[in-house]
Parts: sequence; C-alpha cells; structure tokens
Amino acid sequence: GAVVSQHPSWVICKSGTSVKIECRSLDFQATTMFWYRQFPKQSLMLMATSNEGSKATYEQGVEKDKFLINHASLTLSTLTVTSAHPEDSSFYICSAVGDLKRESAYEQYFGPGTRLTVT
Amino acid sequence: SQQGEEDPQALSIQEGENATMNCSYKTSINNLQWYRQNSGRGLVHLILIRSNEREKHSGRLRVTLDTSKKSSSLLITASRAADTASYFCALDNSGGYNKLIFGAGTRLAVHP
Repeated sequence: GAVVSQHPSWVICKSGTSVKIECRSLDFQATTMFWYRQFPKQSLMLMATSNEGSKATYEQGVEKDKFLINHASLTLSTLTVTSAHPEDSSFYICSAVGDLKRESAYEQYFGPGTRLTVT
Repeated sequence: SQQGEEDPQALSIQEGENATMNCSYKTSINNLQWYRQNSGRGLVHLILIRSNEREKHSGRLRVTLDTSKKSSSLLITASRAADTASYFCALDNSGGYNKLIFGAGTRLAVHP
C-alpha cells in the first residue's frame, strides 16, 4: 500500500514552453502533498506544500507564478513549470501524507520523480 | 540554516562491514526521519524517530537520536552491495504539518 506515482517520469521541453507534472496517490487519500526539486548529487529542496482544496504554500525563494500547483482532489496534485528555462532542468519529486489518524501519520510516501530537461 | 548536516558526505565500505552515517541539526524537532534514494529514483522511508525516543531498530538498521546534542545516527549492520545508495536525514520541526527539511545526504558505496 501507500504508492505514489508521478507522470511523466521524464520530459524534455523547449525553452519558453510549459510542462505539467502529475502526482497521484494510488491507494490512499492524501490530504497533503509536497513538491521538491533535486539537482544532481544534491539534497531535496522543498518547493511547496499542497493541500487539497486550498492554495499551495510556497517556500521562500520559490516563484509561485512560475511553479503553479493545483491539488484538485485527494489523490492528485499537479505542478506546472511555466515558461521553462534551462535552469529549471531538475529532478522534481512529490510526496504525499495520508490519514493523520494512522500510526504512520508522519510518514511521507514519495513518488519516483520526474526528470525535466529544458533545451 | 535549518537543514540537517550529514557526515560523511561519502562512505565506501566492503560487504559485511557496518556503515554509520551522522546527522546534526540546529533547531528543535518533532521527529527525524531517514530516507534512502537509489540513483535517479524516488525516496524510500527507512525509519522515523520521535523527539522523545532515543533509539529505534528496523532489521539491519539502527537509528539513535540525541536531542541534547542535536544529532542522530543511522547504522547499517552487515552491509550488502544492494545497500549502495544515498541516505538522507530529514527533520520535521513543523509542529505537525509533516514538512521535512532534508540534509545533504551521505552517498554510500558497498563493494562486493
């Protein structure tokens, strides 16, 4: 149980275009999802917290107009990188937190990541 | 910085040896978690230790937490080549919001 998927697993796009990445919790309802980015051989940096039915909360330094997050249902959050540039090339990872009443309430379940390359 | 700092940055050992990774931090925490990441893949949750706990075990993994020193360690005993991965500590000091701040990670290489 507790599987999180991401789609696509990799994408190449041209500079100036927009790319949408989906994050789905497959067998549980996720009240909260998180989006991270990771540069090669570096740690994960939290970009934003996505709560179902409300606006995402962005970390300091993350442009909310550039990284649009929508959490329309309890099983789906999307990250859209708008007007992508080569410096946006990175590994984007989402995670989901399930039912906070459960024992494993604090455990985040991570998706496999999406590798974005902007040319 | 709230980020956890891990050492060593890289660790190379032989199969059968133990591997110890350390994580130090600066703020108070609700819990501290350890994750594993294979190259270019997502993260796998290993162990969560709460701020009022001192030690937890899971199979070949042992995690300790010393809140007075603001440090944690992850010990992998009898390592295997399949343990080769990056290991990250992650701090939750968000008061129940599950927001994690990741350390820089330790890259572990276990040689057959």
